[in-house]
Formats: sequence, structure tokens, C-alpha cells
Amino acid sequence: EDQVTQSPEALRLQEGESSSLNCSYTVSGLRGLFWYRQDPGKGPEFLFTLYSAGEEKEKERLKATLTKKESFLHITAPKPEDSATYLCAVQSPGGSQGNLIFGKGTKLSVKP
Amino acid sequence: DGGITQSPKYLFRKEGQNVTLSCEQNLNHDAMYWYRQDPGQGLRLIYYSQIVNDFQKGDIAEGYSVSREKKESFPLTVTSAQKNPTAFYLCASSTTGYRGYTFGSGTRLTVV
Repeated sequence: EDQVTQSPEALRLQEGESSSLNCSYTVSGLRGLFWYRQDPGKGPEFLFTLYSAGEEKEKERLKATLTKKESFLHITAPKPEDSATYLCAVQSPGGSQGNLIFGKGTKLSVKP
Repeated sequence: DGGITQSPKYLFRKEGQNVTLSCEQNLNHDAMYWYRQDPGQGLRLIYYSQIVNDFQKGDIAEGYSVSREKKESFPLTVTSAQKNPTAFYLCASSTTGYRGYTFGSGTRLTVV
């Protein structure tokens, strides 16, 4: 069964303290791995798509990387406005076209 | 600007009533999805549609119904058969062949 596990569930950082969020997955043939940011009471906002092991994407203080078993979302020198829940999702051939399997998310809090 | 509009933002339902959540997109996307989000759980797929006049059940379709009469619209009805409807509901859309979801801002449904 396809599965996505995110860790930690919650992460508290001081402003400027870099860290990483983990997304491990078990799928039979990865078609794509996706990172989203979700603010309280709002819909998820798309951040990155990764398709193959070794691929990396960057956006401002965020950098996403992908291996054959997991993905990391690295946050460099975070600011309080980076506080949000970060969701990871995967698509595999087992699911119907376009359907994503989501992890439960990591809630990030950045204190000034 | 293109996007997905969900309405209403907040909805209150009495037990035994059916309610309909609206989802409209002007992105010209073929596929549309409904997810349910509960605290501490990942997004769970309720229904999805890849083409007008066709839709499929997701993982938790019991107690819900949908229609897809127009490409732009994918309303979700929460019926009285849904035993625990209080949740945050998210609508999303994507192009066929999948390149990423665009989410709406969500509807929070509360049973009173």
C-alpha cells in the first residue's frame, strides 16, 4: 500500500535556525513528489514538484531534495513568516491519474 | 486572475440536513477533487472527476455525493448519512496528466 510519512509532526525553531523536514514514502513507482505550504484556515499552496532521485528545487529560503525513499525540505535561516504546516504528497501508478496521497504534515513554528 | 473559488467559507448544518458546498474554477482544468481535512490527519480524498459527467469515489465517499455538469463546477453535497461531517473541506483542480494541484481556500463545515 502506498504510504507517506512526515516527520517531525511539529518543529519549533528560532529565527535564523536552519533545519530540515522529512517526507518518507513507500510507493510502487513514483511519478512525482509534491510539497505544499498550508496556513491556518486556508488551502494548501503549491511549492515544489520533484520527479526523480537526485533532483533539487529551490525557492527563497526553501530547498527540496529527493532520494529513492524520501524527500527533505530544507529551511535556511527561517523567518517567522515561514511558520505554517508543510504537506508532502506523492503520486504513483497505483492511484488514478492525478490522485495524490498526502502525509499528515509538519507544523513549523519560527519564533523571533 | 485564474483560480478556484469555494463557498461559503463557513457553513453550519443541523443534524439530519443535507448541505452543498460550492467549488468553481476558471483555470480550464479537466480534473477536480474534493478532500476532507481533520486535525492530526492527512487530506483524505472524497470524490474526483476527470471529465464532465463522470466522477469516481475516493477513499471516504460514504455519506457524500457530487455532480460534474460543467467543466468549471464540482459541487459536493454532504448528506445526512455522513455521521461525522464536521471538518475542513478542500476542493482542488489539475490538468490531465497531472502537473500539480491548485487548491481552493476551503469550507469549514460545523454540525450544530
